[in-house]
Amino acid sequence: DTGVSQDPRHKITKRGQNVTFRCDPISEHNRLYWYRQTLGQGPEFLTYFQNEAQLEKSRLLSNRFSAERPKGSFSTLEIQRTEQGDSAMYLCASSPPQSVEQFFGPGTRLTVL
Amino acid sequence: TQLLEQSPQFLSIQEGENLTVYCNSSSVFSSLQWYRQEPGEGPVLLVTVVTGGEVKKLKRLTFQFGDARKDSSLHITAAQTGDTGLYLCAGANPNSGYALNFGKGTSLLVTP
Repeated sequence: DTGVSQDPRHKITKRGQNVTFRCDPISEHNRLYWYRQTLGQGPEFLTYFQNEAQLEKSRLLSNRFSAERPKGSFSTLEIQRTEQGDSAMYLCASSPPQSVEQFFGPGTRLTVL
Repeated sequence: TQLLEQSPQFLSIQEGENLTVYCNSSSVFSSLQWYRQEPGEGPVLLVTVVTGGEVKKLKRLTFQFGDARKDSSLHITAAQTGDTGLYLCAGANPNSGYALNFGKGTSLLVTP
């Protein structure tokens, strides 16, 4: 029984560089969510997919951020021209059909120097 | 945005003690979920409550959903050092594909 996986677990980059994170959801989970968590805060919603369709984006998702889920399975989150304020834990979660429960991956810790 | 407030923000107790943490909102939620998160890891789902007044038990953890579905509590009996972690409550927003609105969490430290 494999849970949600995320890669990489840690990423250190210099300001201005682009980074891409990957999330593999639990098999047969049709909804996939991205969240961001900074120190001392709970996770904040960024965007979600139902199958391959991106149905919602929060105001936190600036135009430097883009997410895809091309085949309705894994998803990628790309941040262009990273800024120090992008430093955070990026969490992915998936949810099965007809359920409100979400299951989280271990996260990708991003540090922008 | 439906805001969730958790209290206390920090809690330090000794092994064997009981504790209760709270999750409150002015909004009604169709469901609330409780998660525990350890440093450097993702949140792990503990329970989902959906019915007003519902009580669910998970070993030494007791979860209650308020009658009006605006608040919830988590009670831990005879805390153990393994209970240490960040406890997060989250409400699902049906208008955003059930995306979760999280509180800031209660950071619990249980010492021997």
